[in-house]
Formats: sequence, C-alpha cells, structure tokens
Amino acid sequence: QSVLTQPPSVSGAPGQRVTISCTGSSSNIGAGYDVHWYQHLPGTAPKLLIHGNHNRPSGVPDRFSGSKSGTSASLAITGLQAEDEADYYCQSYDSSLSGYVFGTGTKVTVL
Amino acid sequence: QVQLVQSGTEVKKPGASVRVSCKTSGYTFINYYMHWVRQAPGQGLEWMGTINPSGGRTSYAQKFQGRVSLSRDTSTSTFYMELSSLRSEDMAVHFCARSRGYSAYDYFDNWGQGTLVTVSS
Repeated sequence: QSVLTQPPSVSGAPGQRVTISCTGSSSNIGAGYDVHWYQHLPGTAPKLLIHGNHNRPSGVPDRFSGSKSGTSASLAITGLQAEDEADYYCQSYDSSLSGYVFGTGTKVTVL
Repeated sequence: QVQLVQSGTEVKKPGASVRVSCKTSGYTFINYYMHWVRQAPGQGLEWMGTINPSGGRTSYAQKFQGRVSLSRDTSTSTFYMELSSLRSEDMAVHFCARSRGYSAYDYFDNWGQGTLVTVSS
C-alpha cells in the first residue's frame, strides 16, 4: 500500500492546464525529503520528469513543473498535449519505512 | 548513452524462485546504485531494494526482507534480483532503476525496460 496519495485520474482538453497532487505525511514529504515525478506509459520504462521537487532533467519540456509545500507536492502540466496521456507517479523517501515510496499513481487523460 | 537491458519474461510455479538480470552500459558501473521496483497488474510502483555496486552492500524494503536478494557482477556490469518463495501476488513487471546514491534525496534517472514475472501453477 502506497503512503503517498494521488488522485486516481485527471483529465483536460488539449492546451489546458492540469495539476496532480501528492499527499504524504510527517515521515516523508513533511520531513523535508524531496519529491520526484515520473511519467509512465504502460509497457515502457518510467521516465523521470521532475527531481528535487521542481527540477526538470534535460529534454523534459517546460510545460511540466513541480512544487512542494508542507506534506504535499504537485505536478502541473500546462498546454496539455495528446502525448501527455500516461500514468504519473510521485516518489519520496519515508523515514518510518527506511526506504523509497511511490504515490498511488494518476492517469492523465487528454479529452 | 545509458542503457539498462533486462532479461526476458519468466514463468514460475508458486514456491519457486526467480532471478532477473539488468545489464548496464554507457556509464561508470560503480558510480550509481541500482534499485529494483515492481508493478503488479493494475497497481502502482513499489520499491523493493537497492544495491551499492561498489562493495555490494544491500538494503531492502521491509516487505521483501528475507525473500529478495540483490547482487551484482562487476566483470559484466550486470545486476541481479532474486525473489524466492514466489506466490501469486508476486506476479508483476520488475524494473531495475539507477540512482546517484542511496539517500533521502535520491531519485531514479534511468530505468530498464521491465521484466514480467508470472506465477502460476
């Protein structure tokens, strides 16, 4: 069972902005640990989208942005495109579990 | 370029063990930890454990303690994940994923393509 909670799904029309929340607790996000985000198309390898709460690796469009506050983090996708349809996962570290944890995952649908 | 190439689909019976490999190239082997993450059908991602390629020290998620064993072969730049006492709940796609370190701030910057492990009698 995941300790980071995400909405099961979000949707938006092409060009719109969507946000995905990632809610944790005092033993993970709230403890100050970084949050990272991955994009996952079924049958492929997950792809790193955001690391260190808000940093984009080279090659990731600036349409993707991340933020963190308190025990939560968010991923925003602006100018939604058909190719953004995928599953998105947040990830952090949990001191109670002494290991890495992922969010429950959010499916993004482009209408 | 960085490549993590995993072994193919495995079909095992309950109670058996499975070993999945992850052959790396395109970077300095000992400079990056390797992790294993799995995804059961219809479920999310789950971290299983990690290995330090320099020395081979391992850390495992509490859930898998005693059932998973991670190893590496420095001569072939290959990592291995062995899971024992397989049960139906272990049916999942297993990924290897590398990180710069094993700290509360690390993340997975490259992933293997995944290996499906099927458990069926």
